Amino acid sequence: KAGVTQTPRYLIKTRGQQVTLSCSPISGHRSVSWYQQTPGQGLQFLFEYFSETQRNKGNFPGRFSGRQFSNSRSEMNVSTLELGDSALYLCASSLDATYGYTFGSGTRLTVV
Amino acid sequence: QKEVEQDPGPLSVPEGAIVSLNCTYSNSAFQYFMWYRQYSRKGPELLMYTYSSGNKEDGRFTAQVDKSSKYISLFIRDSQPSDSATYLCAMKGNTGFQKLVFGTGTRLLVSP
Repeated sequence: KAGVTQTPRYLIKTRGQQVTLSCSPISGHRSVSWYQQTPGQGLQFLFEYFSETQRNKGNFPGRFSGRQFSNSRSEMNVSTLELGDSALYLCASSLDATYGYTFGSGTRLTVV
Repeated sequence: QKEVEQDPGPLSVPEGAIVSLNCTYSNSAFQYFMWYRQYSRKGPELLMYTYSSGNKEDGRFTAQVDKSSKYISLFIRDSQPSDSATYLCAMKGNTGFQKLVFGTGTRLLVSP
């Protein structure tokens, strides 16, 4: 059974650019969540999608957005990148809100 | 005060030792409790998942939840060098789509 797949694994972007990250959940999982992990702040919740609808959102600026497609795959977009956006972005999937979450290996974003 | 407190370590033990990892929390609405293991440059791996109070055992791992004290623990028996990693506790409420709130993680080092 394939796990959560995130692409790309590594990205280097310049300040002001935008970036799109992709997440394919475990087959059958309908919930997809996104987290940002940094050494200083740890794991911070970005948003959660279920059945193509955003169900919950963390305290991040509007530059961070996401969406979920009918096949449960999800994308996250960050516009007008800032140096502080450099982080490991993790996607997690679950059957629904009452189950444990399985994480992908993450996308490491570096903004220069 | 953070919602979830976790000692960052590092915690150094010899191979074969029993390891005790702990988290305290302040939000009495938390009902789901998880432990994740994260190796360097990898995503978190779900180890244990419990609902409400009680104990759960899986192989060398035992998770305990004491909601009256707002305290959760993970015990690792017969620790191995391959257990060297960062251990993260995570928890959330049970109404709707609640975000996972993570501890900062405890770095564990098991020496041969």
